Amino acid sequence: AQSVTQPDIHITVSEGASLELRCNYSYGATPYLFWYVQSPGQGLQLLLKYFSGDTLVQGIKGFEAEFKRSQSSFNLRKPSVHWSDAAEYFCAVGASYGGSQGNLIFGKGTKLSVKP
Amino acid sequence: SAVISQKPSRDICQRGTSLTIQCQVDSQVTMMFWYRQQPGQSLTLIATANQGSEATYESGFVIDKFPISRPNLTFSTLTVSNMSPEDSSIYLCSVDTAGLGNTIYFGEGSWLTVV
Repeated sequence: AQSVTQPDIHITVSEGASLELRCNYSYGATPYLFWYVQSPGQGLQLLLKYFSGDTLVQGIKGFEAEFKRSQSSFNLRKPSVHWSDAAEYFCAVGASYGGSQGNLIFGKGTKLSVKP
Repeated sequence: SAVISQKPSRDICQRGTSLTIQCQVDSQVTMMFWYRQQPGQSLTLIATANQGSEATYESGFVIDKFPISRPNLTFSTLTVSNMSPEDSSIYLCSVDTAGLGNTIYFGEGSWLTVV
């Protein structure tokens, strides 16, 4: 069965520092992979996605993620964190074929706090 | 991208009542999805709603509790029936704009508190 693991429940980084949020997935084929951000009191905003091609994908707000098939990972990175990045981040995997296209399996989320 | 509007954005509901959440999309989409996010938890898929067919429910969710309508390609409703405090959650509508499973957007969510 598909699953997503975000091993870090809560991460705190200083403003201006680099960030890496980890995501590992379990899926039998090449998955569709997504990162979403949820700010307090808000819905989910799509940061970036991977479904084929270049394994390094660029997203909005200066985020990027790298798909590593050998490690079943899709880690999210940002070179310099801003205070406004404080939010909860969710990694999700979707089926790349078949009738379940479009429904996503989410990780438990990583809450990011940013120190001034 | 897609603009997805949900109503209500927030509500406080009495135990035993039912509430219908609306989801409106600014473009025609084949596949729409309803998710639940319980407090402090991740998102769980409730059901898939495709226009012209019955909604498909995930394990643990039943039509009597969460009836869904999908009258056209831009609109869907989710009803939370006979609510209890355990139904206090954020309910989110999402759409697959490309129809290929790789372009998924979410609404802002409907925050329900059951008292």
